[in-house]
Amino acid sequence: TQLLEQSPQFLSIQEGENLTVYCNSSSVFSSLQWYRQEPGEGPVLLVTVVTGGEVKKLKRLTFQFGDARKDSSLHITAAQPGDTGLYLCAGETSYDKVIFGPGTSLSVIP
Amino acid sequence: GAVVSQHPSWVICKSGTSVKIECRSLDFQATTMFWYRQFPKQSLMLMATSNEGSKATYEQGVEKDKFLINHASLTLSTLTVTSAHPEDSSFYICSASYGLAGYNEQFFGPGTRLTVL
Repeated sequence: TQLLEQSPQFLSIQEGENLTVYCNSSSVFSSLQWYRQEPGEGPVLLVTVVTGGEVKKLKRLTFQFGDARKDSSLHITAAQPGDTGLYLCAGETSYDKVIFGPGTSLSVIP
Repeated sequence: GAVVSQHPSWVICKSGTSVKIECRSLDFQATTMFWYRQFPKQSLMLMATSNEGSKATYEQGVEKDKFLINHASLTLSTLTVTSAHPEDSSFYICSASYGLAGYNEQFFGPGTRLTVL
């Protein structure tokens, strides 16, 4: 059974702090997506990473795909209350199947 | 681009009735649509995958006779919860994919909150 783990599960930080969320698996993914979901809404795609070692930046968010394409990280610099939400990683397997991680619930306190 | 809508956004129904939820890709043709269920503070649970014009593929443990999926066109998929019961109350989310550049990014609808009394 393919499994995608995320850590931490919950995170509560003060505005202005930095944080990193991790997404790990024993499986190799052909691509990996990060989504953010706010309460009562659908997830919104943030980024897709495809190449091992790839780094992508989206304003204060930095995404990295592991060299072996089994893990990924999301780093947020100077977190703001608007960053609050559920962060989900999703890995696409070689069988064109996408599996979602359990999510990291982030709360940024003003 | 890549906008997906869902209707209704919320619905309250009596136990035993059927409820239909629509999922539309507004500005692209979706090769595949997905239906998820989400419980509070939990991740997405894939229910089924559907391709236009063919039968949906259901995940293990999901009753196909209970959750009827119709994918009538490249822009529309519907999920019908038949004979709904309180345990079917949940947040249902659809997504659509068009397989850009060889990988399948999913674009999600805003979700439908179903409450069965």
